[in-house]
Amino acid sequence: QVHLVQSGAEVKKPGASVKVSCKASGYIFSKYGISWVRQAPGQGLEWMGWISGYNDNTYYAQKVQGRVSMTTDTSTNTAYMELWSLTSDDTAVYYCARDQVGAPNWFDPWGQGTLVTVSS
Amino acid sequence: EIVMTQSPVTLSVSPGERATLSCRASQSVNTNLAWYQQKLGQAPRLLIYGASTRATGIPARFSGSGSGTEFTLIISSLQSEDSAIYYCQEYNNWRGTFGGGTKVEIK
Repeated sequence: QVHLVQSGAEVKKPGASVKVSCKASGYIFSKYGISWVRQAPGQGLEWMGWISGYNDNTYYAQKVQGRVSMTTDTSTNTAYMELWSLTSDDTAVYYCARDQVGAPNWFDPWGQGTLVTVSS
Repeated sequence: EIVMTQSPVTLSVSPGERATLSCRASQSVNTNLAWYQQKLGQAPRLLIYGASTRATGIPARFSGSGSGTEFTLIISSLQSEDSAIYYCQEYNNWRGTFGGGTKVEIK
């Protein structure tokens, strides 16, 4: 059974950085990618980027390009998303989701989500 | 950048009736389109990919169609548990752009 388990909620001050983890189980990590999607309170879904579990290739959304880094640790089947220079606009639930290995495609399944709150 | 537009914003349907949700892309995405269901307080769940292929475990009352710029998700006989927000997402151009969502309410 495929599972993605994310790290716990975070509270950060403006200007700080946050790193969210996503531990995968139930499948061969290197045969898939991971996409990250966020959802601000009461808002829709926003794709942030994708990383290949095979070769660490990445694609980032223009909106967060330059402020985000997505990495993997194949020894623990864990993906990470780090976002820095945080503002209140980054307050959201951050989801990881299993994706295809070669490029962003469809997302299935999703992690449970990690709430990141940015507040002074 | 591709813009995905969903309509209507809210849809109110009686149990057992048919619900029709639309998604329009600002340029062709071929059949590189997925649909997700998100219930209150939960993570989204994949329903459809490739515009018309049901994901594993998804009931047959959910069906997707379309290609190019116009797509449709049909829930053929609405159940109470189908109350949720439905999102379309294109993946045609190395990105994963979502539509704004359609909220399906049970009358």
